[in-house]
Amino acid sequence: AQKVTQAQTEISVVEKEDVTLDCVYETRDTTYYLFWYKQPPSGELVFLIRRNSFDEQNEISGRYSWNFQKSTSSFNFTITASQVVDSAVYFCALTGDTGFQKLVFGTGTRLLVSP
Amino acid sequence: GAVVSQHPSWVICKSGTSVKIECRSLDFQATTMFWYRQFPKQSLMLMATSNEGSKATYEQGVEKDKFLINHASLTLSTLTVTSAHPEDSSFYICSAYSGVHPNTEAFFGQGTRLTVV
Repeated sequence: AQKVTQAQTEISVVEKEDVTLDCVYETRDTTYYLFWYKQPPSGELVFLIRRNSFDEQNEISGRYSWNFQKSTSSFNFTITASQVVDSAVYFCALTGDTGFQKLVFGTGTRLLVSP
Repeated sequence: GAVVSQHPSWVICKSGTSVKIECRSLDFQATTMFWYRQFPKQSLMLMATSNEGSKATYEQGVEKDKFLINHASLTLSTLTVTSAHPEDSSFYICSAYSGVHPNTEAFFGQGTRLTVV
């Protein structure tokens, strides 16, 4: 069965600090996709990134970067120079090659960035 | 990206009544829609998979008679919480998938916050 573990329940940082959110996954599928979503207090899910299992290249998008390592089944997310607006709950999610895109979510990490 | 609209955004209902939540794909045809539930400060849990024109597939532990799902068209799926009780109060969110590669992403609605009093 697929599983996503986000061991960090809550992280508090001060603005401009860098912060890394950890994500470890388990799957028996050879083809799978990993996602990160941001959920602000309003509740909607904001898509951040999708990565397929065959692409281990790290990705950078502005202040966001992702480190995908199949050897350790991890897909960590780093925010550089954090800002108050980054405060939210961040979910890592996994889907398999089942022909459908239902997601298995981690428990989420609540990030609080204070001024 | 594609747009999925969920309505209503929030609803308060009395215990024992039924509530219908709509999930619409506005600019694509969704062959499959998913319904998730999120209790406060918890993760999203898949409730059911809804396929257009066929019966929904429910996850283990989800009562199909309580959470009625209808996917009558390629752009609309509805979730009806029947005889709602306070323990059904939760955040319900849908996602829609077109099934067309290379689109391998399901798009989420804005969610519906249900409060049963």
